[in-house]
Amino acid sequence: GNSVTQMEGPVTLSEEAFLTINCTYTATGYPSLFWYVQYPGEGLQLLLKATKADDKGSNKGFEATYRKETTSFHLEKGSVQVSDSAVYFCAYNAGANNLFFGTGTRLTVIP
Amino acid sequence: DTGVSQNPRHKITKRGQNVTFRCDPISEHNRLYWYRQTLGQGPEFLTYFQNEAQLEKSRLLSDRFSAERPKGSFSTLEIQRTEQGDSAMYLCASSSTGRDQPQHFGDGTRLSIL
Repeated sequence: GNSVTQMEGPVTLSEEAFLTINCTYTATGYPSLFWYVQYPGEGLQLLLKATKADDKGSNKGFEATYRKETTSFHLEKGSVQVSDSAVYFCAYNAGANNLFFGTGTRLTVIP
Repeated sequence: DTGVSQNPRHKITKRGQNVTFRCDPISEHNRLYWYRQTLGQGPEFLTYFQNEAQLEKSRLLSDRFSAERPKGSFSTLEIQRTEQGDSAMYLCASSSTGRDQPQHFGDGTRLSIL
């Protein structure tokens, strides 16, 4: 069936450290892939997206590349800031009209 | 673009009562979605509208749940005879037509059942 598997958190990093949050998916067809972020006390915000194989989505220093061969969409950032502390959700839309979400990964960045 | 608006932000009610939530989507979006999110989990799809037509419902949407979108603008989600297990954050999202169009989420309505 359809599913999204995310790296379990919580993840704690020092400021300026490198971030990777792994995400793999199981879906039929050619899904569009998304990363959403939820800051404390706020709703989900779209961080970036990729709609076909080898596409790279990027925003606010975050990047993720659509790897069809490994069914992955790992999120990376070269140098995290305290303001990046949030919960990050990987999601995909496999042609249906709803998004399938992972369970989320909580990131805490300490000064 | 004023974003997706949800009301109320918080709702506390006794078990067995009925509750209704409202969602105002981004004005030019013709698709509207409802999701439920419990603590430590990602959002789970409940139902979806294109304009005023409800086109898809999840198995999570029991008979006690009903959603409407009259005139294809705002939407309401009603839960009848609430149960403890209904305690969750209820999220609304909207998008333009097309699979690649991202969904924009509201801040959600947090429901607590006493």
